Amino acid sequence: GNSVTQMEGPVTLSEEAFLTINCTYTATGYPSLFWYVQYPGEGLQLLLKATKADDKGSNKGFEATYRKETTSFHLEKGSVQVSDSAVYFCALSDFNQGGKLIFGQGTELSVKP
Amino acid sequence: GAVVSQHPSRVICKSGTSVKIECRSLDFQATTMFWYRQFPKQSLMLMATSNEGSKATYEQGVEKDKFLINHASLTLSTLTVTSAHPEDSSFYICSAKSGTGPMNTEAFFGQGTRLTVV
Repeated sequence: GNSVTQMEGPVTLSEEAFLTINCTYTATGYPSLFWYVQYPGEGLQLLLKATKADDKGSNKGFEATYRKETTSFHLEKGSVQVSDSAVYFCALSDFNQGGKLIFGQGTELSVKP
Repeated sequence: GAVVSQHPSRVICKSGTSVKIECRSLDFQATTMFWYRQFPKQSLMLMATSNEGSKATYEQGVEKDKFLINHASLTLSTLTVTSAHPEDSSFYICSAKSGTGPMNTEAFFGQGTRLTVV
């Protein structure tokens, strides 16, 4: 079945450091891929998405490219801020499975001043 | 983006009582709503998928008689935790989509409900 695997956290970085959070997926069809962010005590917010191979999603300085050949959707940001501290979830949605989201285990990011 | 409102944000109930959580799409019609459960520092576990006007589809291992889901209108779905016990304490999150076609890929999330059963 479909699944998503993320790098384990927590990830601790200094402000202005470069961020990479790895995400790989397994899917039988042609899924759409997403990154969601969750701040403490809150629900999830969509950060970015890509719906087909080689698409790049971007938002608020974050980027991720849909790589079909490596089944990956790694999240990157060139210079993190303290306000980026949160939990990041990689997810996929497969239309053939009713469009439900399958989430990775989440990666906690802590950015220190 | 579209807004999904979940209520209440926090609820404390006594063991053995039932609790209802509401999920509303405020500015779009949600043909499909999803209910997730999240344990501390863990990922979201899909509990069930509900389509307006039909019975919910529960994921394997989720007790349908314990977690009653109703999706009676295009803007409202409810999750009722019946005869709650301390092990049901968790963070419950709903999400909603406005269509089922392949181009409609984005789900919008509510802010979550922290349930504590004492």
